[in-house]
Amino acid sequence: KNEVEQSPQNLTAQEGEFITINCSYSVGISALHWLQQHPGGGIVSLFMLSSGKKKHGRLIATINIQEKHSSLHITASHPRDSAVYICAVNEGQGGSEKLVFGKGTKLTVNP
Amino acid sequence: GAGVSQSPRYKVAKRGQDVALRCDPISGHVSLFWYQQALGQGPEFLTYFQNEAQLDKSGLPSDRFFAERPEGSVSTLKIQRTQQEDSAVYLCASSLRGWGGYEQYFGPGTRLTVT
Repeated sequence: KNEVEQSPQNLTAQEGEFITINCSYSVGISALHWLQQHPGGGIVSLFMLSSGKKKHGRLIATINIQEKHSSLHITASHPRDSAVYICAVNEGQGGSEKLVFGKGTKLTVNP
Repeated sequence: GAGVSQSPRYKVAKRGQDVALRCDPISGHVSLFWYQQALGQGPEFLTYFQNEAQLDKSGLPSDRFFAERPEGSVSTLKIQRTQQEDSAVYLCASSLRGWGGYEQYFGPGTRLTVT
């Protein structure tokens, strides 16, 4: 089973700071997902990637397949970015449907 | 169109009661997933359907847990003789296609509390 590790577990930043959240996994994957979960439980998919880099507004996600590592960056952070960010992977080259999740990184952005 | 919906949003059950949790996926989505999320933890896989076929139920923690999707649309997760350790948020997600690497759309979850 894939072990998905995220760091840090908790992160506090001041508004405007550049944020980096890291994710590493132990077994080859077909895709990696970054998800955002706000208090109250709703989960929103931010990115799905299998190579390289994707950008969406102030969010950037990168993945290094050889190193089994991904990062989520938030530029010019804002209090509304406060949420739990979860990394999840589809295991194996055959593309397992189910996701294996990290425990999440709780981000708090103070004004 | 509407997103994934789940009902009820909150459920309190006495230990030993049976509960049924419903998921309405996005119309036309082939795949449907159930996940369990304990407090402060990431979600964990329970089971997965492709249309009406349950292709993987390896994550169901015991034979008290049962899921169905009889017409390939709405799904129900049933927990019999609930125990306190079943207290968690149960998340449903759906995706358009049958193979891994497709974006999953999550419902708001059902928070189950067993007293």
